Amino acid sequence: AQKITQTQPGMFVQEKEAVTLDCTYDTSDPSYGLFWYKQPSSGEMIFLIYQGSYDQQNATEGRYSLNFQKARKSANLVISASQLGDSAMYFCAMRENNAGNMLTFGGGTRLMVKP
Amino acid sequence: DTGVSQDPRHKITKRGQNVTFRCDPISEHNRLYWYRQTLGQGPEFLTYFQNEAQLEKSRLLSDRFSAERPKGSFSTLEIQRTEQGDSAMYLCASSLVQALGNTIYFGEGSWLTVV
Repeated sequence: AQKITQTQPGMFVQEKEAVTLDCTYDTSDPSYGLFWYKQPSSGEMIFLIYQGSYDQQNATEGRYSLNFQKARKSANLVISASQLGDSAMYFCAMRENNAGNMLTFGGGTRLMVKP
Repeated sequence: DTGVSQDPRHKITKRGQNVTFRCDPISEHNRLYWYRQTLGQGPEFLTYFQNEAQLEKSRLLSDRFSAERPKGSFSTLEIQRTEQGDSAMYLCASSLVQALGNTIYFGEGSWLTVV
């Protein structure tokens, strides 16, 4: 079974609007972390935001927030006030405490911001 | 503060040739990871080091692949007798080991094309 599922291969959003990128995960480890990365066409994976499994509040970093619903095993990324520079691939990833701490990635969502 | 750097950024090689990629992690990071990413997919874990010890290898890492981190600083990933299926981007990443939430920082990747 896929550990990380991103069901939206591509999405469009109008500049200045908010957009939600979906991510669901599967783990039996009670201790884990969820990450979102942005990958522009240059290839670098840029860290955006982190949510720990025991964190009580949803993580926020500037225009990025993570809608963490533990019972549903979802960790959706919300980008507010989209900018043209937000156009990129976005990857959700999980790090399990009992799995060597490496990241397992989803298949990604390509976000395109329209002017 | 310099980030993770990788060299070369692009490599075109003929099938059957050997290639080597180098990664310089963030200086105080004791964990170093190698991932492989093919077009349209998320990165897949290959191997990781804690200091100079190689602690885990993925089944994706065939015996044609070898990674080293001799002094616990930079790392090399060598692919022997390259095949067309090795064409991908090879991403290096580093982190501190102390906590699950420690961010894994990626380099810009090394693109390999096998012709």
